[in-house]
Amino acid sequence: EAGVAQSPRYKIIEKRQSVAFWCNPISGHATLYWYQQILGQGPKLLIQFQNNGVVDDSQLPKDRFSAERLKGVDSTLKIQPAKLEDSAVYLCASSLYGAVNTEAFFGQGTRLTVV
Amino acid sequence: QQQVKQSPQSLIVQKGGISIINCAYENTAFDYFPWYQQFPGKGPALLIAIRPDVSEKKEGRFTISFNKSAKQFSLHIMDSQPGDSATYFCAASPETSGSRLTFGEGTQLTVNP
Repeated sequence: EAGVAQSPRYKIIEKRQSVAFWCNPISGHATLYWYQQILGQGPKLLIQFQNNGVVDDSQLPKDRFSAERLKGVDSTLKIQPAKLEDSAVYLCASSLYGAVNTEAFFGQGTRLTVV
Repeated sequence: QQQVKQSPQSLIVQKGGISIINCAYENTAFDYFPWYQQFPGKGPALLIAIRPDVSEKKEGRFTISFNKSAKQFSLHIMDSQPGDSATYFCAASPETSGSRLTFGEGTQLTVNP
């Protein structure tokens, strides 16, 4: 079974620039999550999709962050404009559809450095 | 109320020893408590998980102990091995949320040979 794919693995940008991350979840997984993991901290949920609809984006800084999930499969997370404090690893995860808690599978993440 | 507090921040154990990591939560809506293991440069991977209808779950060398009244749960790693050296995160998720996880701060475990 192929895992969650993310790209790029690393990205360095200057503050105020824009950046986009891509995620391809495990085939058949209807639920997709984006997490932000700041160095030395646990991952923090940014947004949860169910198919192509948003379930929870309460912790997404909507003035600069946006995310979409086209056709209920791949997803992109965008930051515009980036700030220094956005430096983190951005993790994508996916899980099977359902109200029952199921295992979330994580990708390797994209490490963003804002200079 | 959404926080999950984890301790210790770091832990050093000798090979063959027992590693114990503790977590506490406040949100009574949480009803799924997984532990994730993360190696450098990798995403977190599920290690073991428990629901509050049982007080203990064991899988190989890994055991979760759960105390619902105290709102605490812990991970015990028996016969710790150098390959267990990683960062461990406890997490919690409310019922019907799918796997919308609230993570603890993490524990960096080092197992010395």
